[in-house]
Amino acid sequence: AQSVTQLDSHVSVSEGTPVLLRCNYSSSYSPSLFWYVQHPNKGLQLLLKYTSAATLVKGINGFEAEFKKSETSFHLTKPSAHMSDAAEYFCVVTPTGANNLFFGTGTRLTVIP
Amino acid sequence: EAGVAQSPRYKIIEKRQSVAFWCNPISGHATLYWYQQILGQGPKLLIQFQNNGVVDDSQLPKDRFSAERLKGVDSTLKIQPAKLEDSAVYLCASSPGLASSYNEQFFGPGTRLTVL
Repeated sequence: AQSVTQLDSHVSVSEGTPVLLRCNYSSSYSPSLFWYVQHPNKGLQLLLKYTSAATLVKGINGFEAEFKKSETSFHLTKPSAHMSDAAEYFCVVTPTGANNLFFGTGTRLTVIP
Repeated sequence: EAGVAQSPRYKIIEKRQSVAFWCNPISGHATLYWYQQILGQGPKLLIQFQNNGVVDDSQLPKDRFSAERLKGVDSTLKIQPAKLEDSAVYLCASSPGLASSYNEQFFGPGTRLTVL
């Protein structure tokens, strides 16, 4: 079975400070992991993905995530938050090679000016 | 490149009525997905097509939901009759090539359904 747990439903940061969105996963198979972002009234957009290659994955807009098998984690980070980063972020897991995406419940990121 | 198009963007109906949603995927994308996103939750896969064939509909409540993808392009998702718990955003996504985690899924803006 596959599932993800997003440890924070809401994160607030000041503009220019680091962002950390936490995700733990459970998977019966070798997992592929993703982070998607959802801005209001817009479609989900892929930020980055891990599919069994390098464990440190770089994505768009300065985001990156590190796959840690020993901790079953895939936390999303960004060194410096921008106002445009305010959105809902989803951690997603699927068995590598499959495509049944299992979404977490999301983390709402607020960026304070 | 045009994205995934969905219509309508919003729909309000009363329970026991029927409703249909339409999705036009990115041109050339072989795989199409319908997801249901209930408020406060992540999207949940309802059905997946590859070309005009169903790959996975294990999470589709078949007593009231139906979907088709005629000619392997556009798709419609129907609910008949609707229940209060069907209130959600219905997302359509498409991906190129075969259904695989290696192929990115591109999402449309969704249709927000409210059942009164």
